[in-house]
Amino acid sequence: QVQLVQSGAEVKMPGASVKVSCKTSGYTFTHSAIHWVRQAPGQGLEWMGWIIPGNGKTRYSENFQDRITFIRDTSASTVYMELSSLRSEDTAVYYCARGFYIAAAATNWFDYWGQGTLVTVSS
Amino acid sequence: SYVVTQPPSVSVAPGKTASITCGGNNIGSKSVHWYQQKPGQAPVAVIYSDDNRPSGIPERFSGSNSGNTATLTISRVEAGDEADYYCQVWDSSSDQGVFGGGTKLTVL
Repeated sequence: QVQLVQSGAEVKMPGASVKVSCKTSGYTFTHSAIHWVRQAPGQGLEWMGWIIPGNGKTRYSENFQDRITFIRDTSASTVYMELSSLRSEDTAVYYCARGFYIAAAATNWFDYWGQGTLVTVSS
Repeated sequence: SYVVTQPPSVSVAPGKTASITCGGNNIGSKSVHWYQQKPGQAPVAVIYSDDNRPSGIPERFSGSNSGNTATLTISRVEAGDEADYYCQVWDSSSDQGVFGGGTKLTVL
């Protein structure tokens, strides 16, 4: 069965960077994009971007354009999200999710999600 | 960028029908997806592409999309349906995902 398993909670100082992993299994890693979505405490979902594991192509939300990096390790079927220059507003649960692309409708939806990783930014 | 709007909250009695809306400019021309999120859990897709249910989702969940409004309908509401619900579209002009602000469904 498809599974996305994320790394554990992190506590970081303002200005630091954090790297969250998302290990996939149960399907062909290179066949589906992985998206990242975050949720601040008590707030809604915010799409951050995606990476296509097959070729490493990425697309980032304009809200994170210069602070975020996605990389993939095809040998480990794992995707990483690195967010730099952390500030208190980055405190959130970060989710990875598998993208299901429907070409006829030019749309993506998210059919499997990781369990989430809490990142706390505090001095 | 594209914006979608949801009511913050909807209340419904058990056994009744709940309707949660998602508004956006000509949203009927886009595919709308819906997610259910219970406290402390990751979201789960309940409807994709306007009116399709992923495997394992009860038939009580249905969707529609026309004009400027998409709607998630939950029939015969149960206590276990109490959750936050989010609509999501793909903004192909910017190639980005867009979520609505979420609607808290309360079962009275």
